[in-house]
Amino acid sequence: DVVMTQSPLSLPVTLGQPASISCRSSLSLVHSDGDTYVSWFQQRPGQSPRRLIYKVSNRDSGVPDRFSGSGSGTDFTLRISRVEAEDVGVYYCMQSTHWPPWTFGQGTKVEIK
Amino acid sequence: QVQVVQSGAEVKKPGASVKVSCQTSGYTFTDYYMHWLRQAPGQGFEWMGWINPNTGDTNYAQKFQGRVTVTRDTSINTVYMELSRLTSDDTAVYYCARDGGFDIWGQGTRVTVSS
Repeated sequence: DVVMTQSPLSLPVTLGQPASISCRSSLSLVHSDGDTYVSWFQQRPGQSPRRLIYKVSNRDSGVPDRFSGSGSGTDFTLRISRVEAEDVGVYYCMQSTHWPPWTFGQGTKVEIK
Repeated sequence: QVQVVQSGAEVKKPGASVKVSCQTSGYTFTDYYMHWLRQAPGQGFEWMGWINPNTGDTNYAQKFQGRVTVTRDTSINTVYMELSRLTSDDTAVYYCARDGGFDIWGQGTRVTVSS
C-alpha cells in the first residue's frame, strides 16, 4: 500500500498569514495515463470531509482561490495564501493512483494562534 | 443538487453486526462507484471497500475481507455497508463517498461498539 506522510501534524497560524502543508508518498504518484492523482480534503470540526483540490492542483468549484496545490512525483504541497478563521480544521492528502486501497495522510490540524 | 444522506448513529454490542445506508440523489446512481471509509476517534481515514452500483460488483480492503458486505438497491438509489463480528476497535464514524475522486461525502454515521 502507498503510504502518505504529512507534515507538520499541527500548524498554528496567525490570521492573514500563509500556511503550507507537505505530503510525501512512498511511491511516485504518476499514473500510467500521465496524470497524478493527489487530492486534498478539509475537515472542519464536526463535519465530513470536503474536497478542495484534485489531480494535484485543480481547485474544486466554490473553493476560495487562497487554496492552491502543487507538487509532482512523491512530494506535494497545499498552500493557504492568507489563513482565515473558517480555515480551521484538519487537512488530509489522498492518493488515487495506486488502488486499491486508496490511502490518506495522517492529517494536519490547522489552528489559529 | 447532488446529495448523499446516511442513516443515523448506531450502538452495538461486541459480536453484533451493523448495517449503514447511504441514499443518493441529484445524479444518476449507476454512473458512479461508491466507496465506504471509516474514521476512528481522533484518527485518519481507512478505506474499506467499494461497489459498482450498476453491476453490484464489489472490492474490499484485505483487512475487512470476510467481515464487510456492501450492497445496493437501485430502486431507491441506496448503498449499504454491513460490518459483522464487531469489536470495540470498530467504533468509528463510517462514511460513504462518491467515486469521481471522492468529490461528494455523506454526513457520516457514528457506530459505537460497547458492552
